[in-house]
Amino acid sequence: DTEVTQTPKHLVMGMTNKKSLKCEQHMGHRAMYWYKQKAKKPPELMFVYSYEKLSINESVPSRFSPECPNSSLLNLHLHALQPEDSALYLCASRGDRDRGRYTEAFFGQGTRLTVV
Amino acid sequence: AQSVTQLDSQVPVFEEAPVELRCNYSSSVSVYLFWYVQYPNQGLQLLLKYLSGSTLVESINGFEAEFNKSQTSFHLRKPSVHISDTAEYFCAVTNRVGRALTFGSGTRLQVQP
Repeated sequence: DTEVTQTPKHLVMGMTNKKSLKCEQHMGHRAMYWYKQKAKKPPELMFVYSYEKLSINESVPSRFSPECPNSSLLNLHLHALQPEDSALYLCASRGDRDRGRYTEAFFGQGTRLTVV
Repeated sequence: AQSVTQLDSQVPVFEEAPVELRCNYSSSVSVYLFWYVQYPNQGLQLLLKYLSGSTLVESINGFEAEFNKSQTSFHLRKPSVHISDTAEYFCAVTNRVGRALTFGSGTRLQVQP
């Protein structure tokens, strides 16, 4: 199983709403990532979790709040978003080194978020 | 610091023609290189990777890329493209201590009949 599952696939929310994005993997990967991708742009790193601890926060506004409740789950809590936050939000995971060799990242299908 | 440059934002090509998508990187340490493909409204799928060993890497659907350290390049090639290859292609780099990928700006491959 090399799958990263993201739910929901689509989300429309108002600027006063609170919602959460969910990401799940069962590959035993201990590094998990959130990326944001605007139309016709490459993914931009938001957060990195390593062994369920936040290790990188790329100066993301506090209206985005990540959470890693266990080694298989990664959430992104959303509150008071702006229309410019509309984007495709991608989750990825990566395993530990395999016999000293770097391992690649696997991506989910993304959540298409629209803020109205 | 590391960076990736994909000079071609769009590459139109006719079906069954060969194609090359260019990728150059810069890094002060040894790198790992990847090509990801993104079909419309989907996530990223790993196409191929260079971690070590042979500098020529191949995918199961006919793409290949060659790591050229002296030219700091990792160009993607396919000898004969299909309509179904139409997608966005991202080159990405990380290094031994890197925890996340740095992506190029992407190249839109448009295969025409």
